[in-house]
Amino acid sequence: DSGVTQTPKHLITATGQRVTLRCSPRSGDLSVYWYQQSLDQGLQFLIQYYNGEERAKGNILERFSAQQFPDLHSELNLSSLELGDSALYFCASSAQGFGKLFFGSGTQLSVL
Amino acid sequence: AQTVTQSQPEMSVQEAETVTLSCTYDTSESDYYLFWYKQPPSRQMILVIRQEAYKQQNATENRFSVNFQKAAKSFSLKISDSQLGDAAMYFCAYRSQNYGGSQGNLIFGKGTKLSVKP
Repeated sequence: DSGVTQTPKHLITATGQRVTLRCSPRSGDLSVYWYQQSLDQGLQFLIQYYNGEERAKGNILERFSAQQFPDLHSELNLSSLELGDSALYFCASSAQGFGKLFFGSGTQLSVL
Repeated sequence: AQTVTQSQPEMSVQEAETVTLSCTYDTSESDYYLFWYKQPPSRQMILVIRQEAYKQQNATENRFSVNFQKAAKSFSLKISDSQLGDAAMYFCAYRSQNYGGSQGNLIFGKGTKLSVKP
């Protein structure tokens, strides 16, 4: 168990809908990262938050947004969903100075 | 921008034998981390081993060891005494090391699918 909790584990929805993925980092970790894993794109970095502030953006679509709350949990919001958004979405957290990222078990999103 | 390349889409090894997975990367930075992550069929991302670029000594974790060649920008993973449970996708990853507070994200290679034959 990595200590990073993601909910839900599976999500099935329709095109055009909006969903929210939730992540609780390991206790004490200030950084949260979101990744998307798909067969054609591999593992793609979406966005990073550090202690409530956005720190880095990767290949995140404008239809996607995220935030990190004062209790350090994070949410990834995906809107106007398309078939191509179907993927496994990972959250990871890290403690400053140690380099390692610990991953949650992911949310499998299926857009039908 | 940094890139990570894994040139072996698939590899196979006999149980109890040794296998080496290759990874090369490109960066202009001098300080960074390199990682190998394992993703079994459960799809959980599991950290296998970590290497700090400033350390000349190769990292070792039980049956897993790396061959880190900084000048050649090469970072291979050797799995000794392979076990059936080692069957998984293996991802090589790069991470910048900055001192400005938060640290950078991981940049992943495309992965190598390892099969272990009984």
